[in-house]
Amino acid sequence: DIQMTQSPSSLSASVGDRVTITCQASQDISNYLNWYQQKPGKAPKILISDASNLKTGVPSRFSGSGSGTDFTFTVSSLQPEDIATYYCQQYHSLATFGGGTKVEIK
Amino acid sequence: EVQVLESGGGMVQPGGSLRLSCAASGFTFRSYAMSWVRQAPGKGLEWVSGISGSGGSTYYADSVKGRFTISRDNSRNTLYLQMNTLRAEDTAVYYCAKDADTTTICCNWFDPWGQGTLVTVSS
Repeated sequence: DIQMTQSPSSLSASVGDRVTITCQASQDISNYLNWYQQKPGKAPKILISDASNLKTGVPSRFSGSGSGTDFTFTVSSLQPEDIATYYCQQYHSLATFGGGTKVEIK
Repeated sequence: EVQVLESGGGMVQPGGSLRLSCAASGFTFRSYAMSWVRQAPGKGLEWVSGISGSGGSTYYADSVKGRFTISRDNSRNTLYLQMNTLRAEDTAVYYCAKDADTTTICCNWFDPWGQGTLVTVSS
């Protein structure tokens, strides 16, 4: 089974800050990596597929990069509405989620 | 509008059974794989099970293999999850999610997700 290690588990940043989350796969997953946003009490929402493909309607301040085992998710300028928990998910072999990163405003 | 809507959650005793349903609308249901993903209270997401568009291929996480059965009725645009021998650690919100790509058997990325249905396993 492929394990996904996401870090940090939580972070606190100011509005306008650049925020970066990393996700590491236990084996090479090429670019089969997605990123989701989950706001409290809501279902997850896909933001980025295939490591770097921004989904339609998602603000351009969100971006993703990486391939193989190491991936990065970035919010270029944190906004109050970005408060949420973010998850990575591999689909090289079925599906596995990372542990999540809770993003709060400082 | 593409939508999926779960139902069937509730409280059940350890060792009991429950069947979840997911009604789909707004897309050609038989063309897409579907999955169940759960989230224990205050915890992260865990993929539970997936099924191909035809229903001919099914997939399970090790944590539920042999206890849960995924199925679908393409004539009713409905996905199911039969959960047997339930344990306290199965307590979670269960989400139904549509796979994003018609070319995959399972899994790709999930979009959209339903609002979830809560399953509580407790005596």
